[in-house]
Amino acid sequence: DAMVIQNPRYQVTQFGKPVTLSCSQTLNHNVMYWYQQKSSQAPKLLFHYYDKDFNNEADTPDNFQSRRPNTSFCFLDIRSPGLGDAAMYLCATSRVVGGGTDTQYFGPGTRLTVL
Amino acid sequence: AQSVTQPDIHITVSEGASLELRCNYSYGATPYLFWYVQSPGQGLQLLLKYFSGDTLVQGIKGFEAEFKRSQSSFNLRKPSVHWSDAAEYFCAVAPRQAGTALIFGKGTTLSVSS
Repeated sequence: DAMVIQNPRYQVTQFGKPVTLSCSQTLNHNVMYWYQQKSSQAPKLLFHYYDKDFNNEADTPDNFQSRRPNTSFCFLDIRSPGLGDAAMYLCATSRVVGGGTDTQYFGPGTRLTVL
Repeated sequence: AQSVTQPDIHITVSEGASLELRCNYSYGATPYLFWYVQSPGQGLQLLLKYFSGDTLVQGIKGFEAEFKRSQSSFNLRKPSVHWSDAAEYFCAVAPRQAGTALIFGKGTTLSVSS
């Protein structure tokens, strides 16, 4: 019944050690998003894919990359995690309807800890 | 600039009492409007949304929200709060165009007292 799945739910990495977070969806939505949410803050968009088109937010650090090999999967790569990258990472999906974007559905998130 | 304001950072309500969470937005045109709820350590769950039509929208878990264009508001209400409603509530808007991000308010933490 799960629609947006994120793995792992908890990830611990060392300072500077690359890490990859995974998101998959069963909704066949054409838009996939990655948000970063720090403690007691609202989610902040890092980037999104509209089909195969990658859209990076202007203030997303170069340390963050993303891949979308097919409609169902999207990955977030953090090349050299710093202590400030410890956060909850949320994946969301939506479909485009009538020229606009329909509701975004969120996964349960991956809590990243950087030691 | 586009923005969403949730004036109340933290609200405490007695179980069984009514609830209203405020949300105001600043946007050039009427955007899509959403309320999400987040329990600790969890993702965001959609409570309800407004795209067009009836300005009073019903959502899950007994929540409703009213869109008031003249006040640029989209307040969330529930007539009788349950202890399980304690969570973080986010109001969000999205432009009416494809593939754009949600703009979130800073959230309101709801505590429920017995």
